[in-house]
Amino acid sequence: NAGVTQTPKFQVLKTGQSMTLQCAQDMNHEYMSWYRQDPGMGLRLIHYSVGAGITDQGEVPNGYNVSRSTTEDFPLRLLSAAPSQTSVYFCASKDGGWHEKLFFGSGTQLSVL
Amino acid sequence: DQQVKQNSPSLSVQEGRISILNCDYTNSMFDYFLWYKKYPAEGPTFLISISSIKDKNEDGRFTVFLNKSAKHLSLHIVPSQPGDSAVYFCAAIQGGSEKLVFGKGMKLTVNP
Repeated sequence: NAGVTQTPKFQVLKTGQSMTLQCAQDMNHEYMSWYRQDPGMGLRLIHYSVGAGITDQGEVPNGYNVSRSTTEDFPLRLLSAAPSQTSVYFCASKDGGWHEKLFFGSGTQLSVL
Repeated sequence: DQQVKQNSPSLSVQEGRISILNCDYTNSMFDYFLWYKKYPAEGPTFLISISSIKDKNEDGRFTVFLNKSAKHLSLHIVPSQPGDSAVYFCAAIQGGSEKLVFGKGMKLTVNP
């Protein structure tokens, strides 16, 4: 079982470049989300989606765009990368209600030079 | 404004002893609390949870205690094993919300 798959695992960008972090889940989960993990900051919610066609902002949405055209995929777009976006990014999904547990991908380590 | 606080960044215990990981929260509207474990180069994985209507939940070696009046919860691991060495995140969510809020994490090291 694949679960939540994130690609790429590692990426180095130059300031101002754009890129898309891919996330796919094969569990038919309606809810998907993106978190970033920074040293001493824990996990912070960037954007989330409760179903195809529906997205909403989390705690730190600036500089990131998302869309949800299918149940399976939830890509995260950096339109103009900045050094402050150097982080580890995790995609997560869950089934059912608000209290259900999240299933996380293995993460994407992004460095912006 | 940090709503979920894990004030101790690390804990080291001997194999076989008890590990106690603490978590405090400031938002009295939180209804559900979860603990996640994270190994290096992997995503977090769910460990155990507790509803605000309970004060204790147990799953094998793991027990979570909730003290609502103190806005405090703790995770007890008994007995601790070297494989428990990981970063542990406390998280909380308000009923009906879709925003799970995490603490900064705590690194547990269990020495053989």
